[in-house]
Amino acid sequence: DVKVTQSSRYLVKRTGEKVFLECVQDMDHENMFWYRQDPGLGLRLIYFSYDVKMKEKGDIPEGYSVSREKKERFSLILESASTNQTSMYLCASSSPGLAGGIEQFFGPGTRLTVL
Amino acid sequence: SQKIEQNSEALNIQEGKTATLTCNYTNYSPAYLQWYRQDPGRGPVFLLLIRENEKEKRKERLKVTFDTTLKQSLFHITASQPADSATYLCALAPNTNAGKSTFGDGTTLTVKP
Repeated sequence: DVKVTQSSRYLVKRTGEKVFLECVQDMDHENMFWYRQDPGLGLRLIYFSYDVKMKEKGDIPEGYSVSREKKERFSLILESASTNQTSMYLCASSSPGLAGGIEQFFGPGTRLTVL
Repeated sequence: SQKIEQNSEALNIQEGKTATLTCNYTNYSPAYLQWYRQDPGRGPVFLLLIRENEKEKRKERLKVTFDTTLKQSLFHITASQPADSATYLCALAPNTNAGKSTFGDGTTLTVKP
């Protein structure tokens, strides 16, 4: 089974802190994604990556950056956390070889609270 | 702009009945439509994928239809069980850049015994 793991299930940070959210997948998938999920707003794409060292902005990249130094790892960085970044963060991966890369495999999520 | 609407935030039905969830979209011509299940506090799990040239797809008690003229997908769970209670998300993907899907807000289904 594909496994996508996220470094923390729950995280509490203070405004202005630099926050790192880590995601690791074990199935050699090329594509990796970071979403945030908020009530009433659904899943919104922050950034995605089609290959190592490649990244593309999603729908809401402001206030975030990403890093993909290795194929299995995709990090989301909040340079200076703000209270409006309190949310559930979900990482996902997919492979173009599997149904065109459409089916996404999600991690368990990190619930981040910024105080 | 692209918009995906899933019918009512919540749907309550009795065990054994068929649950029908709706996904409507505008300003979009998806090549693929997917349905995911999400349990509280967990990430979504892929259920079914249907292509634009397919009208219907089935998997066990699940059935998905895709009407590109109406810009609508229906997701049916027959003989529903309390274990089917969850939030169901639809997602659309284009023909190019197919890895990038747009998700709806989801419908929370509660199946009562």
